[in-house]
Amino acid sequence: QVRLVQSGAEVKKPGASVKVSCKASGYTFSDYYIHWLRQAPGQGLEWMGWINPNTGVTHFALNFQGRVTLTRDTSINTIYMEVSRLRSDDTAFYFCAKVITTRNLAFADDAFHIWGQGTLVTVSS
Amino acid sequence: DFQLTQSPSFLSASVGDRVTITCRASQGIINFLAWYQQKPGEAPKLLIYAASTLQSGVPSRFSGSGSGTEFTLTIRSLQPEDSATYYCQQLNSYPLTFGGGTKVEIK
Repeated sequence: QVRLVQSGAEVKKPGASVKVSCKASGYTFSDYYIHWLRQAPGQGLEWMGWINPNTGVTHFALNFQGRVTLTRDTSINTIYMEVSRLRSDDTAFYFCAKVITTRNLAFADDAFHIWGQGTLVTVSS
Repeated sequence: DFQLTQSPSFLSASVGDRVTITCRASQGIINFLAWYQQKPGEAPKLLIYAASTLQSGVPSRFSGSGSGTEFTLTIRSLQPEDSATYYCQQLNSYPLTFGGGTKVEIK
């Protein structure tokens, strides 16, 4: 079945970087954009950006431009999200999510129907 | 950015009750709206997309309606397993944004 499996929890110091992976299975990897979101403990959801696994093109929310990088390895159907210059307010669960259609939200009949299990990133000195 | 305001932020209801959650958008988003359910320690689960389309596998007691700026999620007959936090999300414009969430408690 369609699955997204993320890497395990991380603990980092302020100023460091973290790289989280999201391995896809059960569908044609290059056909569906992957989005990343995060959720601080006890808080709401925040959208970060997306990557086109076919071309590697990315798009980010303004808050994350310049500090978040999305890459992919098509040989192992895996997306990577790296956050640099970590701050304590980056402590959150990070999720990858797959869109329903190949059109990446161009039309209303689309949303995030498959999610990774989440990766807790803790930033603490 | 498109702001989404959910209400109420918390509700307590009994098994079998009809429950309605409202999501208001700061600007018109046509029907580019989704609803998610999230239980503690889990990823969100898609319930409704395109404002009123039920995601495959989701019980039919869940329904969505609305267009433009006002949307509702209705649970027709609340069940114990519906205890969760519910979020609306607009997908009309970047950055994608979410409502603040509605925590549903079973009395």
